Amino acid sequence: SAVISQKPSRDICQRGTSLTIQCQVDSQVTMMFWYRQQPGQSLTLIATANQGSEATYESGFVIDKFPISRPNLTFSTLTVSNMSPEDSSIYLCSAPGLISDTQYFGPGTRLTVL
Amino acid sequence: SQQGEEDPQALSIQEGENATMNCSYKTSINNLQWYRQNSGRGLVHLILIRSNEREKHSGRLRVTLDTSKKSSSLLITASRAADTASYFCATDEWSGGSNYKLTFGKGTLLTVNP
Repeated sequence: SAVISQKPSRDICQRGTSLTIQCQVDSQVTMMFWYRQQPGQSLTLIATANQGSEATYESGFVIDKFPISRPNLTFSTLTVSNMSPEDSSIYLCSAPGLISDTQYFGPGTRLTVL
Repeated sequence: SQQGEEDPQALSIQEGENATMNCSYKTSINNLQWYRQNSGRGLVHLILIRSNEREKHSGRLRVTLDTSKKSSSLLITASRAADTASYFCATDEWSGGSNYKLTFGKGTLLTVNP
């Protein structure tokens, strides 16, 4: 299995500011994924982060709002820019396991925007 | 769009009883995975079943997959209060290259009463 950590675990931010979330995997992976889980809802894929190329965003998500970095095979960041209360969600990163198609998830970052 | 749809949306049972959750999906899949989420935390991977498998067991968990009906079920036997959580199914779509995504259902909130 893959062990994934995220920082921060939670944050309370003011409207109009930005927050960068870090995700660290304990093994080298080609793809990392960022998801959003709005209150009481399921998970929605924001983007796929590939090392050495631009992130691929899902419909409804844009790079200006959610810029992603992927500097190496074990690390990625997601920035939530110009935040509004509608961005209050849990943000989770994930990565596949080494020998199977299983995807493992980090503990999530609970973001509250006031 | 949501690929997997779980039912029921909420399930309340007594400790020791069995809990069954169902998941339906719309398109062809490679794998289907079940996850557990405790109170807004990260997702814990429970089990993966491949499209060519019909049934899989892991401890008190039993998963079935019927690709002709595009449905899966998760059975938790001899439930415990610690099983109280939200359960999600997720289907993966691999369309070649780096185009891979995991699509989640809406989830079932299971409450096991002591």
